[in-house]
Amino acid sequence: GESVGLHLPTLSVQEGDNSIINCAYSNSASDYFIWYKQESGKGPQFIIDIRSNMDKRQGQRVTVLLNKTVKHLSLQIAATQPGDSAVYFCAENRGSNYKLTFGKGTLLTVNP
Amino acid sequence: NAGVTQTPKFRILKIGQSMTLQCAQDMNHNYMYWYRQDPGMGLKLIYYSVGAGITDKGEVPNGYNVSRSTTEDFPLRLELAAPSQTSVYFCASSSGQAFNYGYTFGSGTRLTVV
Repeated sequence: GESVGLHLPTLSVQEGDNSIINCAYSNSASDYFIWYKQESGKGPQFIIDIRSNMDKRQGQRVTVLLNKTVKHLSLQIAATQPGDSAVYFCAENRGSNYKLTFGKGTLLTVNP
Repeated sequence: NAGVTQTPKFRILKIGQSMTLQCAQDMNHNYMYWYRQDPGMGLKLIYYSVGAGITDKGEVPNGYNVSRSTTEDFPLRLELAAPSQTSVYFCASSSGQAFNYGYTFGSGTRLTVV
């Protein structure tokens, strides 16, 4: 089965609200995690990444939190905008050769 | 920079036909990957390469073949297409120093086998 999964397949928020997208992983040996955004008909677009020796990382309007104790990853989007509407994937790297394992994705819908 | 370029964007194949999905990157990345994405699902790794002349199987390699004769190109070959290979195919590349950059993906090839 999937070792990288998501708690919610869909998330609907109001414009301006903060969004939180969650991801669980099962492999404690994973050392690198990435969040991708995929708009309809396009390839995945890199948002932010984090290494396993970090707990938190911030980007522009986005924050990734890593809780290794419970093997949980989250993506927080501040002041969500209509352009943030997309499917969001978390992915983990488990070892050498940088092979990523992806979760199923969460569809984020931003209502104006 | 063009990044990762995939061709064609769309293709319809009949069962039993063969085709090659093209992937080229201009970033001098050593690592290249092929993923497939089925509707409503995440991406599954088909094959990957860590450099010219070196390829290896991913999670779902059956029915596919790859080659890596140059750093830039990583074509994916489908032999004897089957309906189960209907999917969107993504090629990606990485320098191996992925932190802060992730992997760069192409825009995908949507393949339908009928």
